[in-house]
Amino acid sequence: DTAVSQTPKYLVTQMGNDKSIKCEQNLGHDTMYWYKQDSKKFLKIMFSYNNKELIINETVPNRFSPKSPDKAHLNLHINSLELGDSAVYFCASSQGAQSHEQFFGPGTRLTVL
Amino acid sequence: GQNIDQPTEMTATEGAIVQINCTYQTSGFNGLFWYQQHAGEAPTFLSYNVLDGLEEKGRFSSFLSRSKGYSYLLLKELQMKDSASYLCAVTAGGGSYIPTFGRGTSLIVHP
Repeated sequence: DTAVSQTPKYLVTQMGNDKSIKCEQNLGHDTMYWYKQDSKKFLKIMFSYNNKELIINETVPNRFSPKSPDKAHLNLHINSLELGDSAVYFCASSQGAQSHEQFFGPGTRLTVL
Repeated sequence: GQNIDQPTEMTATEGAIVQINCTYQTSGFNGLFWYQQHAGEAPTFLSYNVLDGLEEKGRFSSFLSRSKGYSYLLLKELQMKDSASYLCAVTAGGGSYIPTFGRGTSLIVHP
């Protein structure tokens, strides 16, 4: 019944490693997003995909690469992890790129040691 | 760019009314969101204002003044479970509904 799900919920890894976070939504939405929330609770948009096409990419390092195999999934791959990547990453979805209500997943807490 | 300002923290008493303010500076304003986020959980949608005025939804109301770049979220009959972070976010520019979030207001409700 979960609308937007993410795995894993917690991820602890060493600097320099590569990791992926998966996101799936069963709401039939066309648009999905990735947000980063830092230790000060500041929520910042990273990517948005509408029908598998990237429609926004805020100034995010190219170590971060979103992958959307279909419109129900938007995965986030991170190469060469750095200490500053430690944060909570939220996936979200909405009905269309111009829809106003976004539904958020439970978040993935990434800790880079 | 967009600049969004809201108080960092507020406290209130159970049963009372609290108003959380948000001011913003942006060009091409589309609309303003309020989201609620409990500690360790995902944000959940509360309201979306496009036009000036007050919109009421149960115990929560949201107000917008586009000319003043100002919004507030009003919470009535506060309950302990209302202790959470309240995030103000604006969308702007050419029909984009991707919100830019403020840093959030942490509301603590005490007995």
